[in-house]
Amino acid sequence: DTGVSQDPRHKITKRGQNVTFRCDPISEHNRLYWYRQTLGQGPEFLTYFQNEAQLEKSRLLSDRFSAERPKGSFSTLEIQRTEQGDSAMYLCASSPSGWREKYEQYFGPGTRLTVT
Amino acid sequence: DQQVKQNSPSLSVQEGRISILNCDYTNSMFDYFLWYKKYPAEGPTFLISISSIKDKNEDGRFTVFLNKSAKHLSLHIVPSQPGDSAVYFCAASAGHGGSQGNLIFGKGTKLSVKP
Repeated sequence: DTGVSQDPRHKITKRGQNVTFRCDPISEHNRLYWYRQTLGQGPEFLTYFQNEAQLEKSRLLSDRFSAERPKGSFSTLEIQRTEQGDSAMYLCASSPSGWREKYEQYFGPGTRLTVT
Repeated sequence: DQQVKQNSPSLSVQEGRISILNCDYTNSMFDYFLWYKKYPAEGPTFLISISSIKDKNEDGRFTVFLNKSAKHLSLHIVPSQPGDSAVYFCAASAGHGGSQGNLIFGKGTKLSVKP
């Protein structure tokens, strides 16, 4: 399977704990995106990498959130001091770098976070 | 302030008939539009896209129409099949004049195709 993979698929944590999610994009894609989706909403953009460079961050990405893509391959998203409002599905997507193809993002299955 | 709006939360269609899903947008900087399909417990799956320089794009049973003057696009599925039952998201991007291709999504329309 050469699609986007995410780990873990589900995470339950207590408020105040730190969590880290991993995303492995499609191998030849150099663009990687993180989105968050809550119930009844569409995915909302969080941040974007081109290779290892983080080029854009949404204002939704508070200072408790940090994302890395150290070698331009997999990426991690960490949430510190989790709050109940962080409960959501965290989606990772990747795309190639062609001017048109970059728009066609391919999503992983997501990590569902529940903060109790 | 929602820039991409899908005003119908749900749509029910008989198998074999046409499904029409609608989407409106407000940002005139959007230059690329996409439709994604999402099954429960899975990530969105890319379905079809259209550039703002076109008004129609077709792929098998799926056709997307874009009306720039009305800031409206629609997805037609003909004929509809029970396996098409899913949530459909409209998404837009302002890649050239705006950000680096991140997508702005609508809230989705749940399509149910009945046998």
